[in-house]
Amino acid sequence: GENVEQHPSTLSVQEGDSAVIKCTYSDSASNYFPWYKQELGKGPQLIIDIRSNVGEKKDQRIAVTLNKTAKHFSLHITETQPEDSAVYFCAASTGAGGTSYGKLTFGQGTILTVHP
Amino acid sequence: KAGVTQTPRYLIKTRGQQVTLSCSPISGHRSVSWYQQTPGQGLQFLFEYFSETQRNKGNFPGRFSGRQFSNSRSEMNVSTLELGDSALYLCASSLGIMADGYTFGSGTRLTVV
Repeated sequence: GENVEQHPSTLSVQEGDSAVIKCTYSDSASNYFPWYKQELGKGPQLIIDIRSNVGEKKDQRIAVTLNKTAKHFSLHITETQPEDSAVYFCAASTGAGGTSYGKLTFGQGTILTVHP
Repeated sequence: KAGVTQTPRYLIKTRGQQVTLSCSPISGHRSVSWYQQTPGQGLQFLFEYFSETQRNKGNFPGRFSGRQFSNSRSEMNVSTLELGDSALYLCASSLGIMADGYTFGSGTRLTVV
């Protein structure tokens, strides 16, 4: 089955710096890659996603890049703010291409701390 | 617009008991998935329903089961609870039949003692 590896497990940055979190996946049939942010006491919140037919997607301070050949994708947060502090999860899904339908395989998570 | 609602938020059960968790998806959403979140194993897929049909099941023992009703609300049941079942159980819903755009609820924190 699909396996998703996420690095680093913890990331500490100063306010205003950039943060990068990287994930690799094993199943070449995966075609949908979302990123979730989870704050304490809450469920994961979708912040950005990308499909396999797109190499990069940006939404204000957040961007995601995908390298299908290398089977890795990354989350980039620019001009970080203290409210960006949370746990971030990457995930992968094969969608309609296989039998996984609504199944997401998650990475282990990255604890991001932004210091004022 | 109301989000995904999970009840109860917290639950304490004794080993050997059974428990039922409830999930009300966003209005109009027909796909519901369940995930177990623990510090050691992270987020793991339990099962997924679309229009009352279970389309996919994760690698969990048969003690874990679920169902979806005609109004898209879903329940999951865990029988013969074990200490290792202590976790945050998350429900997510989406409009379509795929994994994209899933909205998660805040979860039910289950503690087995």
